[in-house]
Amino acid sequence: EAGVTQFPSHSVIEKGQTVTLRCDPISGHDNLYWYRRVMGKEIKFLLHFVKESKQDESGMPNNRFLAERTGGTYSTLKVQPAELEDSGVYFCASSQDETGDITDTQYFGPGTRLTVL
Amino acid sequence: GEDVEQSLFLSVREGDSSVINCTYTDSSSTYLYWYKQEPGAGLQLLTYIFSNMDMKQDQRLTVLLNKKDKHLSLRIADTQTGDSAIYFCAESMGANNLFFGTGTRLTVIP
Repeated sequence: EAGVTQFPSHSVIEKGQTVTLRCDPISGHDNLYWYRRVMGKEIKFLLHFVKESKQDESGMPNNRFLAERTGGTYSTLKVQPAELEDSGVYFCASSQDETGDITDTQYFGPGTRLTVL
Repeated sequence: GEDVEQSLFLSVREGDSSVINCTYTDSSSTYLYWYKQEPGAGLQLLTYIFSNMDMKQDQRLTVLLNKKDKHLSLRIADTQTGDSAIYFCAESMGANNLFFGTGTRLTVIP
């Protein structure tokens, strides 16, 4: 079974440009999460989709970040325009459970390393 | 808000035990987790513990929870070079969101 995949693995862009990150969750997983780790700091939650709906987007830093999950399959996270402080590793995770079992394991992708120059 | 802290680095000799520590601030935490990240890979869930437990053991891994002091530790017995990785402590309060620490980079010296 394929795990969570993310594309690209690395992205280097200039300040002011736009970048779109993609996450493909494990097939059949309804829950999809985005997290971010800024250099040397903790991994922080950004948002959570249940199927195509945003369940919780309380961690999104500002309106330069736009996440979508059309059709409830893969998700994209767009940063427009990118700023220097957006540099970091963006992780995606997915989990299966529909019943709200809070111990449902989140499976993480390898992350996308974003560098904004 | 939630605050989860870990030391950044730990070095141990192969065959010794490793102890990675974590402190958290939110007393309403319900579940606490340990994740492992190897180079170039995603986060792998190693183990988790409910807040009403003191200890959980799984092969070479032992998790200790001191709820009064809000302290969580992960002990790896007979540490191997393959255990070299970044270890993240995380907690949740029953919602789906995980709150992570900064990660501890474990280096195992042959």
